[in-house]
Amino acid sequence: DSGVTQTPKHLITATGQRVTLRCSPRSGDLSVYWYQQSLDQGLQFLIQYYNGEERAKGNILERFSAQQFPDLHSELNLSSLELGDSALYFCASSVGNTENIQYFGAGTRLSVL
Amino acid sequence: SQQGEEDPQALSIQEGENATMNCSYKTSINNLQWYRQNSGRGLVHLILIRSNEREKHSGRLRVTLDTSKKSSSLLITASRAADTASYFCATEARSNDYKLSFGAGTTVTVRA
Repeated sequence: DSGVTQTPKHLITATGQRVTLRCSPRSGDLSVYWYQQSLDQGLQFLIQYYNGEERAKGNILERFSAQQFPDLHSELNLSSLELGDSALYFCASSVGNTENIQYFGAGTRLSVL
Repeated sequence: SQQGEEDPQALSIQEGENATMNCSYKTSINNLQWYRQNSGRGLVHLILIRSNEREKHSGRLRVTLDTSKKSSSLLITASRAADTASYFCATEARSNDYKLSFGAGTTVTVRA
């Protein structure tokens, strides 16, 4: 068990809908990262938050947004969903220092029908 | 785009054999890490090697880093069925913001 909790485990929704994925980092970790993993794109970095502030942005679509709350949990919001958004979404956390070992949650499997 | 590229894409070996996979990357790095992913699960950190290190061991894992060639290798010795997984290299670029760039992974199958 990595100590990173992601909910829900599975999500099935329809095109055009909006969903929220939730992540609780390991105790003491200040950084949270979101990744999207699909068969054809591999593991894509979406966004990083550190202690409530956005720190780095990757290949995140404008339809997606995230935030980190004062208790350090994070949410990833996906809106106007398309079939191509179906993927595994992972959250990872780290202490946030230079040796950036990341601890991954079990992921949320999103299916857009 | 991905910084690291693993080679081979897939590897099938017999239990007890060694498995070697390689990773190449493009930019200067602070460190390089290897992660394992069992099917459909989250990634698990295996080992980190700093840019000023050339070799590192952890149990049955041996990692090498050649910064002049911008490449790394991961060797798993005496493989077991439980080593069946995908293995990813991840680089923390020197320019950075602490994010990791992951390669596409090597899928290793260990046959009993």
